[in-house]
Amino acid sequence: GPKVLQIPSHQIIDMGQMVTLNCDPVSNHLYFYWYKQILGQQMEFLVNFYNGKVMEKSKLFKDQFSVERPDGSYFTLKIQPTALEDSAVYFCASSRDTANSDYTFGSGTRLLVI
Amino acid sequence: TQTVSQSDAHVTVFEGDSVELRCNYSYGGSIYLSWYIQHHGHGLQFLLKYYSGNPVVQGVNGFEAEFSKSDSSFHLRKASVHWSDSAVYFCAVRITGNTGKLIFGLGTTLQVQP
Repeated sequence: GPKVLQIPSHQIIDMGQMVTLNCDPVSNHLYFYWYKQILGQQMEFLVNFYNGKVMEKSKLFKDQFSVERPDGSYFTLKIQPTALEDSAVYFCASSRDTANSDYTFGSGTRLLVI
Repeated sequence: TQTVSQSDAHVTVFEGDSVELRCNYSYGGSIYLSWYIQHHGHGLQFLLKYYSGNPVVQGVNGFEAEFSKSDSSFHLRKASVHWSDSAVYFCAVRITGNTGKLIFGLGTTLQVQP
């Protein structure tokens, strides 16, 4: 079936540096999401995005986080500056709508901040 | 506050056994319920969902789940498991009319022994 691609699959970065996580959603999907999963813990909602705007964000979506999707390119999650507690697996997901359609998740980007 | 509770962190069964993974939720309004599977090192894959109608829903690979409003439950079942069913299973709630955010349970790790 259609896939969500996430690039890179792994990233190691020094604390304080900027990182950009890239997501290529399913082509006819209009809603995009980021979720954060710390090893062995719950998958937690960060943010969702539609029509060029953030629709909802959680308390985990700190001021250092930002999302965008310039036309025709990746849906990105940028963290600037990174902190040790940002180490986690970040999953991108997309859906056609928010009513009936299913979500398609990517395989995740494993971020390690050192 | 909406919550999703998966009471069993780990379940171990033998190949060919039946299994039930439990999910309870707390929310008084209209919701979608779904189950996702996560194989080690991969993203989440959709299994099945319920919104209305027949409370027993069929999913991929022989999985089914039953919704119970009186018990606030949506337990996942499979009649005969295979070793490849070993994974982490997440129950998720989506509140209708919201921005599409999923609220996940903590997950149940299913281990199928040969």
